[in-house]
Amino acid sequence: EAGVAQSPRYKIIEKRQSVAFWCNPISGHATLYWYQQILGQGPKLLIQFQNNGVVDDSQLPKDRFSAERLKGVDSTLKIQPAKLEDSAVYLCASSSPRGRETQYFGPGTRLLVL
Amino acid sequence: AQKITQTQPGMFVQEKEAVTLDCTYDTSDQSYGLFWYKQPSSGEMIFLIYQGSYDEQNATEGRYSLNFQKARKSANLVISASQLGDSAMYFCAMRDYSNYQLIWGAGTKLIIKP
Repeated sequence: EAGVAQSPRYKIIEKRQSVAFWCNPISGHATLYWYQQILGQGPKLLIQFQNNGVVDDSQLPKDRFSAERLKGVDSTLKIQPAKLEDSAVYLCASSSPRGRETQYFGPGTRLLVL
Repeated sequence: AQKITQTQPGMFVQEKEAVTLDCTYDTSDQSYGLFWYKQPSSGEMIFLIYQGSYDEQNATEGRYSLNFQKARKSANLVISASQLGDSAMYFCAMRDYSNYQLIWGAGTKLIIKP
C-alpha cells in the first residue's frame, strides 16, 4: 500500500512570494490533515478535511494561507504572500474512519523563506 | 483541558541499552487513544505504536512497547536494545475523540551513542 505522498520535498523562496504544496493521501483515507512544524516544536494543525469538506481550519492564517481538497482525494496548501516566520516543515497526514484512525504522515515539505 | 507532557527534552543512551521515554497525559475523557511517533532528521513522522484507554494489555510492536499506567496517566515508550538508527525526535500524542485531532507533546530528542 502506497503511503502519503507530498511534493515538493524542499522549497526556498523569498518573502512576499507565493508557494504551493501538494499532498496525496493513502488510498481510501477520508480524513486529511495539514500541519506546520517549526523547528524544535511539535506539529501544529492548520486544517482538517473530511472528504472534500473542511472540518477545522481554526488555526489556519486565512489572510495568507489557503487549502483545498476539491475531489476528496489530493489536496493543495498555498501561502501567498510568504513571510519569514512561515519557514517550517509542512506535513500532510491522512487517516481512515475505520479502526483506530491512526494518522499516517508523508515525508513533509521543508520551506525556507528568505 | 487535554494535555500531553514530555519532560525529557533530550536523552543520550548507549547503543544496545533499553530506553524509556516518558509521557504523561491529562484528560477527563474515559475513552482516548495514545500514540507514539518517531521523527528522524529527514523530517518524516513515523507511527510507532498505539494504546487505547480500554486496552488491558500494554501495546507492543517489535522492539517498541508502551508502558501504560492508567491510574498515573502515563504512557511511556520503551525501546529495547537500542540501535544507532533510533536516534530521532520522539513525540507522544493523544487523540481527542470529539474531532479525531491529535494533541502533541513537545517531544524528546534521543541520541544513541555507539
